[in-house]
Amino acid sequence: LAKTTQPISMDSYEGQEVNITCSHNNIATNDYITWYQQFPSQGPRFIIQGYKTKVTNEVASLFIPADRKSSTLSLPRVSLSDTAVYYCLVVGGATNKLIFGTGTLLAVQP
Amino acid sequence: NAGVTQTPKFQVLKTGQSMTLQCAQDMNHNSMYWYRQDPGMGLRLIYYSASEGTTDKGEVPNGYNVSRLNKREFSLRLESAAPSQTSVYFCASSANTGSSYNEQFFGPGTRLTVL
Repeated sequence: LAKTTQPISMDSYEGQEVNITCSHNNIATNDYITWYQQFPSQGPRFIIQGYKTKVTNEVASLFIPADRKSSTLSLPRVSLSDTAVYYCLVVGGATNKLIFGTGTLLAVQP
Repeated sequence: NAGVTQTPKFQVLKTGQSMTLQCAQDMNHNSMYWYRQDPGMGLRLIYYSASEGTTDKGEVPNGYNVSRLNKREFSLRLESAAPSQTSVYFCASSANTGSSYNEQFFGPGTRLTVL
């Protein structure tokens, strides 16, 4: 499974758009990119996943360039409740195994 | 639907004691997983079960055993607990139909302290 690299932490203010970029240079042809969110004392929660180009759902957008060696999670107009750790993962194969890194701690301030 | 449930929520063990962490899901998912999370770290996969009747090692299987009791239940056993196993343990499940990536649903976790 491809290793991912993302910033350790980011700061933002309420109402701003936040973009978290992740690099995954060794992504394989059949791999998907997925993002999870984790609040303190809770299990991770799935946010979004994609294979290429742009994916949007009710909470986030995911941008994946043509070479798929990186991806950007975009959170529109963050609020205090978006303060959490965000994990970028590359997943593939029949087993759906996830390999977590240390994630990005997003701190949203008033 | 309760989703993924885990018992117990908290546990304190002495070194050398054994215990079993229980996990159940009511989503009719094929695959189940056990992770551990140490402070300030990401989750690490201990064992997984791609489908009922199969189990495989993950990144950190040493000191643990698992049982996929049926499609709903996946237990994690510590035969002889060590302080290095102090961690938060998460169970997860996914449909894993094989068509594409299937998101994993996580339980609330079990906080285990080994003295």
